[in-house]
Amino acid sequence: GDSVTQMEGPVTLSEEAFLTINCTYTATGYPSLFWYVQYPGEGLQLLLKATKADDKGSNKGFEATYRKETTSFHLEKGSVQVSDSAVYFCALSEINQGGKLIFGQGTELSVKP
Amino acid sequence: SAVISQKPSRDICQRGTSLTIQCQVDSQVTMMFWYRQQPGQSLTLIATANQGSEATYESGFVIDKFPISRPNLTFSTLTVSNMSPEDSSIYLCSAGDGGMNTEAFFGQGTRLTVV
Repeated sequence: GDSVTQMEGPVTLSEEAFLTINCTYTATGYPSLFWYVQYPGEGLQLLLKATKADDKGSNKGFEATYRKETTSFHLEKGSVQVSDSAVYFCALSEINQGGKLIFGQGTELSVKP
Repeated sequence: SAVISQKPSRDICQRGTSLTIQCQVDSQVTMMFWYRQQPGQSLTLIATANQGSEATYESGFVIDKFPISRPNLTFSTLTVSNMSPEDSSIYLCSAGDGGMNTEAFFGQGTRLTVV
């Protein structure tokens, strides 16, 4: 079945450092890919998405590119802020599943001033 | 985008009791889902809530433990029955439009502690 694998956390960075969180997937079909963020004590918010190969999703300085050849969707940000401290989830959804998501393990990011 | 409200936001319950969580969407949606997030873990799909029919449960989840209702296209409930401390988790409701757009929106979650 479909699955998502993320790099393990926690990841601790200094403010203004470069961030990469790796995400790879296996899928039987041609899924859409997502990054969700969960701030402490809150629910999930959609951070960005990509629906086809070579699409780049971006939001709030975060970017991820849908790489079909490497089945990857790595999350990047050039300069992190303390306010980016959260748990980040990579997820996929097959096109006929109507929003049913398969999540990676989550990666906790802690940004220090 | 859909706005999803969940009630209660948190609760502390005695073992052996049941808790019903409500999920209200501000617009009609085709698909509604319930997820569980155990402490420090990722989200696991419990079931798809089907309007007017029985929910579709994922492997490892059963109707007797997690009965679900969905009386219309904007509302669903999840009951956690006969609770034990192992049921302590965050329970999240999500909704999708069921079409080509596979994006899903989430409620704030219900943080359940069973003592």
